[in-house]
Amino acid sequence: AQKVTQAQTEISVVEKEDVTLDCVYETRDTTYYLFWYKQPPSGELVFLIRRNSFDEQNEISGRYSWNFQKSTSSFNFTITASQVVDSAVYFCALSELMNYGGSQGNLIFGKGTKLSVKP
Amino acid sequence: ETGVTQSPTHLIKTRGQQVTLRCSSQSGHNTVSWYQQALGQGPQFIFQYYREEENGRGNFPPRFSGLQFPNYSSELNVNALELDDSALYLCASMPEPYNSPLHFGNGTRLTVT
Repeated sequence: AQKVTQAQTEISVVEKEDVTLDCVYETRDTTYYLFWYKQPPSGELVFLIRRNSFDEQNEISGRYSWNFQKSTSSFNFTITASQVVDSAVYFCALSELMNYGGSQGNLIFGKGTKLSVKP
Repeated sequence: ETGVTQSPTHLIKTRGQQVTLRCSSQSGHNTVSWYQQALGQGPQFIFQYYREEENGRGNFPPRFSGLQFPNYSSELNVNALELDDSALYLCASMPEPYNSPLHFGNGTRLTVT
């Protein structure tokens, strides 16, 4: 069975602190996608990153970075120098990777981590 | 802007009633998925439509049904509403050839009293 665990329910930091959001996943598939989405109070899910199981390279995008480790089934997300605008609920998700390289619309989400960044 | 629009934004219904939620996707987005997000939880997959046919379903009873139309709009219908159906319902779409992540709308907040 596929499962995503985000053990941190809520995290509170002060602006400019670095923060890491943890994600551990379970799957029997050998090929899969991992995602991070951000959900601000407005409700929509904002796509942040997609990683396929073939690519364990870490990725950096501005203040955001992601650490993918298949050996520990983890896909952690770090925000450097956090800002108040980073306050949101962050979801990690998993989906199967189809043989034509795409991803199905069936994502398995974790329960989310609520991040509060205080000025 | 994701190009996915949902209506209405909020809705209040009574237990036992039926409800229809609507979603409009970008042109070319032939796949649409619907998710239910209970308060404090992650979204749960309800079902997926591709070119007007259901091609994937989560662990939801048959009273949850859907339609997808040729103009890239879709509907989620829920019959015999129960209190536990109160949630945020999210629509998401993606274009072919599937090498793109899902784009989500803002959701419809359904309250069943």
